[in-house]
Amino acid sequence: NSKVIQTPRYLVKGQGQKAKMRCIPEKGHPVVFWYQQNKNNEFKFLINFQNQEVLQQIDMTEKRFSAECPSNSPCSLEIQSSEAGDSALYLCASSLYRGERLFFGHGTKLSVL
Amino acid sequence: TQTVSQSDAHVTVFEGDSVELRCNYSYGGSIYLSWYIQHHGHGLQFLLKYYSGNPVVQGVNGFEAEFSKSDSSFHLRKASVHWSDSAVYFCAVSMNSNNRIFFGDGTQLVVKP
Repeated sequence: NSKVIQTPRYLVKGQGQKAKMRCIPEKGHPVVFWYQQNKNNEFKFLINFQNQEVLQQIDMTEKRFSAECPSNSPCSLEIQSSEAGDSALYLCASSLYRGERLFFGHGTKLSVL
Repeated sequence: TQTVSQSDAHVTVFEGDSVELRCNYSYGGSIYLSWYIQHHGHGLQFLLKYYSGNPVVQGVNGFEAEFSKSDSSFHLRKASVHWSDSAVYFCAVSMNSNNRIFFGDGTQLVVKP
């Protein structure tokens, strides 16, 4: 069983509100991914980290998304001003090294009303 | 450009039947290929992976997958399915030169009693 912990499990926000979710990766895993999974099961890669450093991220041109993985604290993903289209399951995953299998959390289901 | 495709959105079989879930990829370099399973409302769990060596890889719960370079495929198989195998199955591709992992759109497997 995966020990990637995501909180909260469910998040309900109004349009324009901030939405923040957290992830504690599996112990000893320096690589962390965030994915957005929509209701059609499609995955959208958002960002990944190795330790505290961003490896890759999508072009968040709207600048509404931000993420960090500080040392000795949970990783976090924040949407500055939620939109209806942001409603999705946000999955955090960690791995021991790049390219290795991913361990997923249960996800945070965000509903933007 | 679609890196990984799963041609069947839904597959329905009866308990005890064999099943093959198809996955094709489009990339010419070194890649990692994986399969994950997702039960409703949960994160993904790793089933198996291939990088090199024997093209037939064994995974958990009786699943296996076969890599074919000529067909650019990595189909997942199980000889005798159980009702608990009902879930969504995702094929994933990770390029050696790229830290990102690309997921297919998933195949919903329904196992009828």
